[in-house]
Amino acid sequence: DSGVTQTPKHLITATGQRVTLRCSPRSGDLSVYWYQQSLDQGLQFLIQYYNGEERAKGNILERFSAQQFPDLHSELNLSSLELGDSALYFCASSVGPAPDTQYFGPGTRLTVL
Amino acid sequence: GQQLNQSPQSMFIQEGEDVSMNCTSSSIFNTWLWYKQDPGEGPVLLIALYKAGELTSNGRLTAQFGITRKDSFLNISASIPSDVGIYFCAGRNSGGGADGLTFGKGTHLIIQP
Repeated sequence: DSGVTQTPKHLITATGQRVTLRCSPRSGDLSVYWYQQSLDQGLQFLIQYYNGEERAKGNILERFSAQQFPDLHSELNLSSLELGDSALYFCASSVGPAPDTQYFGPGTRLTVL
Repeated sequence: GQQLNQSPQSMFIQEGEDVSMNCTSSSIFNTWLWYKQDPGEGPVLLIALYKAGELTSNGRLTAQFGITRKDSFLNISASIPSDVGIYFCAGRNSGGGADGLTFGKGTHLIIQP
């Protein structure tokens, strides 16, 4: 158990819908990272928040957004969902702003039908 | 963007054999990480490397940060059934761009009885 929690574990929805994925970092970690893992693209970095502020952006689509709240939990919002958005979405956390040693959560499997 | 080439893509070995896998990058990294992912789980950090030439062990696992800073190697000695899984390398270059990790596509390790 990494100490990072993610909910829900599974999510099935339809194209065009909007969903919210939730992540709680390990106790004491200030950074949260979001990744998308699909079979053909592997693990893709989406976005990082550090202590409530956006710190780094990767390959995140404009239809996706995230935020980190004062209690340091984070939410990833995915809107206007497409079939190709079906993937595993992982959250990771680290103590400081550098992504050197991240600990991953168990992931949320999103299926868009 | 940065690319990591991880090889081999998959390995079929006998229990007790040693395993070697590697990652090469088109650009320099200043941190290399190795993760293992079991089915349905998030990646788990195995070894972190911070200096060119560094050799670090974690039990039967040994990883090296290449001298050129463009490659890294992971060796597993005397493999056992629980070593089965997907091994990912990840690199970080804090010199610019998105400050997230770049992941390789993974090496699937399969142990034949």
